[in-house]
Amino acid sequence: EAGVTQFPSHSVIEKGQTVTLRCDPISGHDNLYWYRRVMGKEIKFLLHFVKESKQDESGMPNNRFLAERTGGTYSTLKVQPAELEDSGVYFCASSQGASSGNTIYFGEGSWLTVV
Amino acid sequence: AQSVTQLGSHVSVSEGALVLLRCNYSSSVPPYLFWYVQYPNQGLQLLLKYTSAATLVKGINGFEAEFKKSETSFHLTKPSAHMSDAAEYFCAVSYASGGSYIPTFGRGTSLIVHP
Repeated sequence: EAGVTQFPSHSVIEKGQTVTLRCDPISGHDNLYWYRRVMGKEIKFLLHFVKESKQDESGMPNNRFLAERTGGTYSTLKVQPAELEDSGVYFCASSQGASSGNTIYFGEGSWLTVV
Repeated sequence: AQSVTQLGSHVSVSEGALVLLRCNYSSSVPPYLFWYVQYPNQGLQLLLKYTSAATLVKGINGFEAEFKKSETSFHLTKPSAHMSDAAEYFCAVSYASGGSYIPTFGRGTSLIVHP
């Protein structure tokens, strides 16, 4: 069974450009999460989808970030316009349920560098 | 808000020596605790999780962690380090949030294993 897949794995863009990150969760997982890790800091929660609905987007840093999950399958995270401080690793994760003991499976991350 | 503190951004051990990675959490309710590992250029992989069953939790690759409520700790140990254990380790705690459980991560500890 395929795990959580993310695309692109690496991206280098200039300040002011737009980047769209894609995440395909494990098949059948209704819960999808986005996290971000800026160099040397903790992995920070961005938002959580249950199917196509945003359950919690309290971690989204500002309105330059837009996440969607049309149809409740894959998700995209768009950064527009990108700023230098947006550089980091963006992790996507999914889980079957959202209860306490459910394991959350992570993808390999999308490494974003804004220059 | 829930949080975890990982003591030591880097831990260095010799091959065959005991591995001890420290994690303390803040909580006013019973937490659910996790350890994840990230090998170079890979995603986050679940090592083990505590969900209020046995306080000593065994995970993959010979790792285990003990939940100590009195000390609010969930330290990760392995009796004998192997070169392949070199990676970054993340402690995480999850709490209920609007019907879901969202993991909150520590800053990570890089484990360095010397021959």
